[in-house]
Amino acid sequence: DAMVIQNPRYQVTQFGKPVTLSCSQTLNHNVMYWYQQKSSQAPKLLFHYYDKDFNNEADTPDNFQSRRPNTSFCFLDIRSPGLGDAAMYLCATSRDLLWQDNYEQYFGPGTRLTVT
Amino acid sequence: AQKITQTQPGMFVQEKEAVTLDCTYDTSDQSYGLFWYKQPSSGEMIFLIYQGSYDEQNATEGRYSLNFQKARKSANLVISASQLGDSAMYFCAMRGQGGKLIFGQGTELSVKP
Repeated sequence: DAMVIQNPRYQVTQFGKPVTLSCSQTLNHNVMYWYQQKSSQAPKLLFHYYDKDFNNEADTPDNFQSRRPNTSFCFLDIRSPGLGDAAMYLCATSRDLLWQDNYEQYFGPGTRLTVT
Repeated sequence: AQKITQTQPGMFVQEKEAVTLDCTYDTSDQSYGLFWYKQPSSGEMIFLIYQGSYDEQNATEGRYSLNFQKARKSANLVISASQLGDSAMYFCAMRGQGGKLIFGQGTELSVKP
């Protein structure tokens, strides 16, 4: 059974047209993360929520926003996508932020965003 | 600051042979966890194996084992008896006391029949 679900799997948007990517989880985990992964690069953490507390990475552009209306759902909003925002966007969850959490960070299948 | 280094952009291995993927890390945290993930061309990140900084024994999960050398700050992944389905990108990652997962640049493994 899928535990971290991302919709859609593929998204095409136009330059400058706002787009929202969705993530949901059935694990009841406290933490939800959004990563951006460009081709042949490592995933880059954009931000994470610990419950309702939002934590933005220092170098995440203002163009990227996130919402977590409840425990199960988290959204990534790109307000004005540029060509450089084309990437795979990965959602992940973990029970907590403890370094000892070994099996608890689960990734979704990702959404591949194309900007035309 | 934490850093993960994977020095092998690409590796080839013959089917049924063993292969070692290198990973070194740098952290000032006393407690941390080390992870390996597999990412096939489909894009999903698949958890393979975990090693805690206080674990005295090397972690093993089926055909995967982690060669943990704390003094050298290395956490190499060993895949025994490679299969064609092992062809993928492999990422080493670390979670320190801040709780965030930091990834290395990855190694692309190709298994030849």
